[in-house]
Amino acid sequence: DTAVSQTPKYLVTQMGNDKSIKCEQNLGHDTMYWYKQDSKKFLKIMFSYNNKELIINETVPNRFSPKSPDKAHLNLHINSLELGDSAVYFCASSQVGTSGRRDEQYFGPGTRLTVT
Amino acid sequence: AQKVTQAQTEISVVEKEDVTLDCVYETRDTTYYLFWYKQPPSGELVFLIRRNSFDEQNEISGRYSWNFQKSTSSFNFTITASQVVDSAVYFCALRRTGRRALTFGSGTRLQVQP
Repeated sequence: DTAVSQTPKYLVTQMGNDKSIKCEQNLGHDTMYWYKQDSKKFLKIMFSYNNKELIINETVPNRFSPKSPDKAHLNLHINSLELGDSAVYFCASSQVGTSGRRDEQYFGPGTRLTVT
Repeated sequence: AQKVTQAQTEISVVEKEDVTLDCVYETRDTTYYLFWYKQPPSGELVFLIRRNSFDEQNEISGRYSWNFQKSTSSFNFTITASQVVDSAVYFCALRRTGRRALTFGSGTRLQVQP
């Protein structure tokens, strides 16, 4: 059983198009994230949702819009795609422990987005 | 501000050698969490370990061991008797209390030659 899944795994599209990436977790976690990994492998947080509420919104162009229909899903919609959006996008999830300690984040397999 | 530095961009070793990956972090928080993740050539990110700032005990898991030294703000990772399957990019990450996102280092690419 896949804990954190993303679709699609590969996405090739042209500049100016709008695309979405879907993420689902079956771990019962209350927090989900989107990270971007650039061509140099650098990983950076984009967004985080806790129980469907946006809690982290880093400096990301407003062409990127996350949507969380329920706490098991966090989708990423990107408008007017640009060449610089080409990257691997990772979804992740975690659960706040009952002691208040945050648990480790589990990552999805990644979506490789190529904008031509 | 917080920061994670992995100064070693790439390391190449021959199988069965021991190798240490360095991680130095900066944070003003007194409570924080440190992580190591592995990214094999297939691309997924695999969780390896979490360490709390108030727990400085070193940890060993099979061929893997971690050395946490608060005095030098370091959280180094050693692989003993490396194997070809250890070839991957390894990321060190930091999470501060009250903020759920991880701050990653730039990663160290480890190549283990047969």
